[in-house]
Amino acid sequence: QVLLVQSGAEGKKPGASVKVSCKASGYTFTGSYMHWVRQAPGQGLEWMGWINPNTGGTRYPLKFQGRVTMIRDTSISTVYMELTRLTSDDTAVYYCATLDTPMPTWGQGTLVTVSS
Amino acid sequence: EIVLTQSPATLSLSPGERATLSCRASQTVENYLVWYQQKPGQAPRLLISDASNRATDIPARFSGSGSGTDFTLTISSLEPEDFAVYYCQQRRNWPTTFGGGTKVEI
Repeated sequence: QVLLVQSGAEGKKPGASVKVSCKASGYTFTGSYMHWVRQAPGQGLEWMGWINPNTGGTRYPLKFQGRVTMIRDTSISTVYMELTRLTSDDTAVYYCATLDTPMPTWGQGTLVTVSS
Repeated sequence: EIVLTQSPATLSLSPGERATLSCRASQTVENYLVWYQQKPGQAPRLLISDASNRATDIPARFSGSGSGTDFTLTISSLEPEDFAVYYCQQRRNWPTTFGGGTKVEI
């Protein structure tokens, strides 16, 4: 059974950074790109980019370039998403997901709250 | 970027009624269209992949159809647990994009 388990909720101050982890199991970790999607309170789904766990290659939309970094550790089948220079607009639930596969799987989500 | 437009934004129905949700793409996505259901406080749940393939354990009352630019999610007879927000997603082109969602409410 494919499973993505994310790290716990985070509270951050404006200007800080946050790093969220996503541990994969039940499939070949290097065989599927991992995407990150966020959802602000009461809003829709916003794609933040992907990482190729096999090569470490990444791709981010313009909106997040320069502020987001995705890395992976193949030894523990885990990907990380770091977002810097946080503002209150970054308050959201952050999800990892295998969106490219025929049957996408999502993590349970990590709430990141940015407040002074 | 491919824009996905979902309609209606809100669908007000009663249990037992049929729900028809639309997702229109700004350019062809072939059949690379996915439908999700999301309830408050939960991650999106996969319903339909590749436009019409029901995911594991998804009841038969959920069905997907369409190809190219026009897609439909149909719930043949609403159960109380089906009242939620539904999103479509295209994985044909980079970047992957999502529709704005349709809320199915009582």
